Amino acid sequence: QQQVKQSPQSLIVQKGGISIINCAYENTAFDYFPWYQQFPGKGPALLIAIRPDVSEKKEGRFTISFNKSAKQFSLHIMDSQPGDSATYFCAAYIAGSYQLTFGKGTKLSVIP
Amino acid sequence: NAGVMQNPRHLVRRRGQEARLRCSPMKGHSHVYWYRQLPEEGLKFMVYLQKENIIDESGMPKERFSAEFPKEGPSILRIQQVVRGDSAAYFCASSPDVETQYFGPGTRLLVL
Repeated sequence: QQQVKQSPQSLIVQKGGISIINCAYENTAFDYFPWYQQFPGKGPALLIAIRPDVSEKKEGRFTISFNKSAKQFSLHIMDSQPGDSATYFCAAYIAGSYQLTFGKGTKLSVIP
Repeated sequence: NAGVMQNPRHLVRRRGQEARLRCSPMKGHSHVYWYRQLPEEGLKFMVYLQKENIIDESGMPKERFSAEFPKEGPSILRIQQVVRGDSAAYFCASSPDVETQYFGPGTRLLVL
């Protein structure tokens, strides 16, 4: 019930391409969905977040698409750059639960 | 405005020793969370604290692990009698509300 499934495990994209990372959940009580970016040896950094009453949110080159009926959400990175190479985690939160439930992460490599 | 601070960044312990991990939240944040990250895995929630109170410790192992957030000073995650399976990265997060969690750089614990 608490699980968030993330795919793919790893992703290689050419510079300038679009990176797409997908997440799915089962528990409909989740009501806040952040994405985190983590560089090696660093802590996760909040990238962008969405609530289920919105189907899409865009911040710069990063866009979250949310499909409430399918219980799926995805991160799109437009014009991917080598500096975007990192591990990306989706997460989900249930109001009042205090804890984020994380996916297992996607290691993105953007090649020149 | 300094971010979440954790120390030490790396900690090596022999089996049976104690590990003490410290976390100073961002200024103005009264919520502190501890997460554990195993290699190639997402973060797993351990405990949520406010000043002098443990609010949710549902993710903490029942034995050897404890956490505190005193009125003065940093939050402490304490692991007694460490075993090799405790080797992981331990991340602290703080937040001004409950959802938006900002992570520190982590403490990498290695148990020999």
